[in-house]
Amino acid sequence: AQSVAQPEDQVNVAEGNPLTVKCTYSVSGNPYLFWYVQYPNRGLQFLLKYITGDNLVKGSYGFEAEFNKSQTSFHLKKPSALVSDSALYFCAVREGGGYNKLIFGAGTRLAVHP
Amino acid sequence: GAVVSQHPSWVICKSGTSVKIECRSLDFQATTMFWYRQFPKQSLMLMATSNEGSKATYEQGVEKDKFLINHASLTLSTLTVTSAHPEDSSFYICSAPPVQGNQPQHFGDGTRLSIL
Repeated sequence: AQSVAQPEDQVNVAEGNPLTVKCTYSVSGNPYLFWYVQYPNRGLQFLLKYITGDNLVKGSYGFEAEFNKSQTSFHLKKPSALVSDSALYFCAVREGGGYNKLIFGAGTRLAVHP
Repeated sequence: GAVVSQHPSWVICKSGTSVKIECRSLDFQATTMFWYRQFPKQSLMLMATSNEGSKATYEQGVEKDKFLINHASLTLSTLTVTSAHPEDSSFYICSAPPVQGNQPQHFGDGTRLSIL
């Protein structure tokens, strides 16, 4: 069965510092991995995805993520955090094509302090 | 790009009322729509998958008679919370699969349902 783990409920970082939001996954087939961000009372906004190819993927708003197959991880990173990055971040995995279920992690709240 | 429109964004109603939430794909056809429920400060839980022209597929533990899902056309899926009670209060989000399989799902903006 597919599963996603986000081990941190909350990540606190000072503005201008690098940030990392952790994600590990479990899937039997080839994983399609995604990061989404959610602002209060809003739906999810897509940040980036890994399907195949380069392990380091770059996405929206300066975010990037590194796919590590041996560690089954897909950590979200940003070199320099902004206060406006404060939000709820979800890692998700899908086993293959678009009509398969998307399974979400529990979410990590990112708080960037001025 | 592809957009999913969800309406209403916020509903407050009395206990016992039935509430309908609409989800439309604006510039593409969606034969499938995913419906999620999100409790405060928690993750998204897949409730059901609607399929145009056939019955919805419900996840284990989701009451079919409480959460009626209809996929009336290739651009419209609806979720009706029947005889809603305070415990049904939650944030409901719909999502359409991508047109191309290697693309992300498209999410609606969600509906905040508050039952008094």
